[in-house]
Formats: sequence, C-alpha cells, structure tokens
Amino acid sequence: DIQMTQSPSSLSASVGDRVTITCQASQDISNYLNWYQQKPGKAPKLLIYDASNLETGVPSRFSGSGSGTDFTFTISSLQPEDIATYYCQQYDNLPRFGQGTRLEIK
Amino acid sequence: EVQLVESGGGLVQPGGSLRLSCAASGFTFSSYSMNWVRQAPGKGLEWVSYISSSSSTIYYADSVKGRFTISRDNAKNSLYLQMNSLRDEDTAVYYCHGGTGSSTSWGQGTLVTVSS
Repeated sequence: DIQMTQSPSSLSASVGDRVTITCQASQDISNYLNWYQQKPGKAPKLLIYDASNLETGVPSRFSGSGSGTDFTFTISSLQPEDIATYYCQQYDNLPRFGQGTRLEIK
Repeated sequence: EVQLVESGGGLVQPGGSLRLSCAASGFTFSSYSMNWVRQAPGKGLEWVSYISSSSSTIYYADSVKGRFTISRDNAKNSLYLQMNSLRDEDTAVYYCHGGTGSSTSWGQGTLVTVSS
C-alpha cells in the first residue's frame, strides 16, 4: 500500500501570510495527487488535481507542485475564509490520504 | 452537474447491520470506479472500499474486510455498502467518492453511529 505522510499536522498563521503544506508518498505516484479543503460538517472540496492544476472556480492564491514522491501545497496570501483542514490524496493506486493539516488564524 | 447523494445512515447497536446507498447523476456512472471513504468524529479521511466500473475488481480496507460488502447497480446509477457486524469504531460519516483528477466527486456524506 502507498502511504502518504503530510506535514505539519497543524499550523497557525496570520492573514496575508504564505502557507506551505507538504505531502510525501512512500513510492512514486507520478502526479496522481489531489489537494482538498474540508470545513467542519462538510465534504472535502477539491482544490488542486494532478498535483498542480487548479480546480475551476478555486482562487488563484492556492497552488500545488511536485511529482514522484514529494509534493507541496501553498496558499500565497492567507485569507480568513481559508481556515479549514487540508488533505492530500494519492490516486495512483487505491485512494490514500495524508493525515490532514489543521490551519488556524494567529 | 455531477451529484452523489448518500443515504441509509443512522443509529445501530454493536453487532448490527446497515446498508448505505449512493445515488449518482450528471455523469456516466457505469464508466467510473467508485469508493467508500469514512471519517470518524474529529479524525481524518479513511478509505474503506473500492469497486471497479464493471464490478470485476473489489478491494477492502483491512479494518472492514469480511464485514462490509461493496456493490453497484449501473442500471440504477447506484453504489451500495452493506455493513454487518458493526463495531463502535465504525462510527463515522461515510462518503461516496469517485473519479480521478478533475473528475473527482464526493457526496455530502451519511452518518453511521454504532452505539448501545
């Protein structure tokens, strides 16, 4: 099974800050990686697919990069509405998720 | 518009059974493999089961193997999860999830609570 290691598990940042989350796969998954935002009581919302493609309607302050085993998710300028938990997911094989990153406003 | 709508959740006693359903619309359901994913209260996302588009390939997480059965009816655009011998640790929101890349989709989830 492919394991996904996501860090950090929690993050506190100020409005306007640049925020970065990383995800590492236990083996090469090419670019088969999604990034999701999840708010309490809601289903995950797709933000980035194929590691670096912005889903339609998602603000351009969100971006993703990487391939193979190492991936990065960035919010270029944190906004109050970005408070949520973020997950990476690989789909090279059966779906596997990172542990999640809880993002808070400082 | 792609839509996945789960139903069938509820309160059940340990050892009991429940059948979840997921109704799909807005896409060619029969062309896509599908999954069930769950999320225990305050926890992360956990993959539960996979079924290929033709039902020829099925996988389960070790935590549910032998107790849960995934199935689908492409004529009815529906996905199912039969859950038997339920345990306290099966308490979670269960999501129907399919597609990859830009065609990724999720339902709104249905809550399963296992408690006496």
